[in-house]
Amino acid sequence: DSGVTQTPKHLITATGQRVTLRCSPRSGDLSVYWYQQSLDQGLQFLIQYYNGEERAKGNILERFSAQQFPDLHSELNLSSLELGDSALYFCASSHGGEYYEQYFGPGTRLTVT
Amino acid sequence: GQQVMQIPQYQHVQEGEDFTTYCNSSTTLSNIQWYKQRPGGHPVFLIQLVKSGEVKKQKRLTFQFGEAKKNSSLHITATQTTDVGTYFCAGPRVQGAQKLVFGQGTRLTINP
Repeated sequence: DSGVTQTPKHLITATGQRVTLRCSPRSGDLSVYWYQQSLDQGLQFLIQYYNGEERAKGNILERFSAQQFPDLHSELNLSSLELGDSALYFCASSHGGEYYEQYFGPGTRLTVT
Repeated sequence: GQQVMQIPQYQHVQEGEDFTTYCNSSTTLSNIQWYKQRPGGHPVFLIQLVKSGEVKKQKRLTFQFGEAKKNSSLHITATQTTDVGTYFCAGPRVQGAQKLVFGQGTRLTINP
């Protein structure tokens, strides 16, 4: 158990819909990262927050947005969903910058039908 | 942009054989991290290398960081079925950045 929690575990929705994925980081970790992993693919970095502020952005689509709240939990919002958005979405947390390891949550498997 | 390339993409070995995966960066890395993802699981941090030429061992796993800090390797001696999974290397996008760039991973399967 990494100490990072993600809800829900599974999500099935239709194209065009909007969903929200939630992540609670490990106690004491200020950074939250979101990754997308499609079938048999690597980890695509989406976005990172540090103590409530956006710190780094990857190849995140405009239809996707995220935020980190004062209690440090984070939400990833995916809208106007397309079939290609079906993937595993991981949240990871770390204490801070590049020298800190990342602890991954169990992921949310999103299926868009 | 910066890329972190891993080879091979797939490796199938007989149990007891050795396994090596290589990670190459187009730029110098301040550090490199290795993660393992079991089938159906999430990535789990294994180790971080920081110094040029650094070598670290974890039981049957040996990690190396190149002298130029642009490449790294993970070697597993006498693989066991518990070693099955995908091994990822990751390096910071640029010096001082908080974003990690992950390699595509090497998927290891083992014939018992």
